[in-house]
Amino acid sequence: DAKTTQPPSMDCAEGRAANLPCNHSTISGNEYVYWYRQIHSQGPQYIIHGLKNNETNEMASLIITEDRKSSTLILPHATLRDTAVYYCIVRVRDSSYKLIFGSGTRLLVRP
Amino acid sequence: GAVVSQHPSWVICKSGTSVKIECRSLDFQATTMFWYRQFPKQSLMLMATSNEGSKATYEQGVEKDKFLINHASLTLSTLTVTSAHPEDSSFYICSALRDNQETQYFGPGTRLLVL
Repeated sequence: DAKTTQPPSMDCAEGRAANLPCNHSTISGNEYVYWYRQIHSQGPQYIIHGLKNNETNEMASLIITEDRKSSTLILPHATLRDTAVYYCIVRVRDSSYKLIFGSGTRLLVRP
Repeated sequence: GAVVSQHPSWVICKSGTSVKIECRSLDFQATTMFWYRQFPKQSLMLMATSNEGSKATYEQGVEKDKFLINHASLTLSTLTVTSAHPEDSSFYICSALRDNQETQYFGPGTRLLVL
C-alpha cells in the first residue's frame, strides 16, 4: 500500500474550517484514500473516502488533486468535539480490505 | 447506522490467565472483521483479519497461538489473549467490514491490563 505523510499536529479556531493535508505521492490507480479520526481513548471513526473524485458527506469534504498525489480533508466548521487524531490511509482496492494506520495528524480545535 | 460493540470495555487480569474479548456488529452483517492493538501514544497496529467460518489471517509478527481468533457468526468475532503477560497490556480494537460495502467500522475498544 502507498505510504502517506501527514503533519504531526495542527490547530484551528472553533467555527473556522480545518484543512488537513495528506501526501500520498506513490498512490496507484487502484488505491482508495480513506480518512478516519480517533478521539482520545475511543475506537476510530470513519469520516470519508474517495478514489479520484472529490467527495462530500455530512461530516467533511475530501479534495483529491488531479494527479492523486495528495488530498485534503476539510471540516467546514470545526467544533471543540473535532479535536482528535486524524488518519489518512491509502488502501489497495483488493479483497483484503486491510487498513494500515500511520501516525496521523493531531488536530486541536481552540475555543 | 453501522454500530460495532466490544465487550468488555476494560479488563484487569492476573498474569498467566486468558482473556476473551467480543466484537459484535449490531445492525449489519460482517463476513470480515479485524483486530488491532494500540499502545499508549502509538498508532493502531493491525493484528489479524477474521473471516466468518474460516481461520484468521495473522499479520507478520503476531503469534497466532497467543491471540486466538474465532469468527463463528456473521455478527460476532472473539479474540482470546492466552496466558496473558504484562506486556500484553494494551488497547484492543476491532472493526467490522460491512458486507457489500468497502468501509470498516470500529468498535469502542477494550483496555486490557495484565498485572
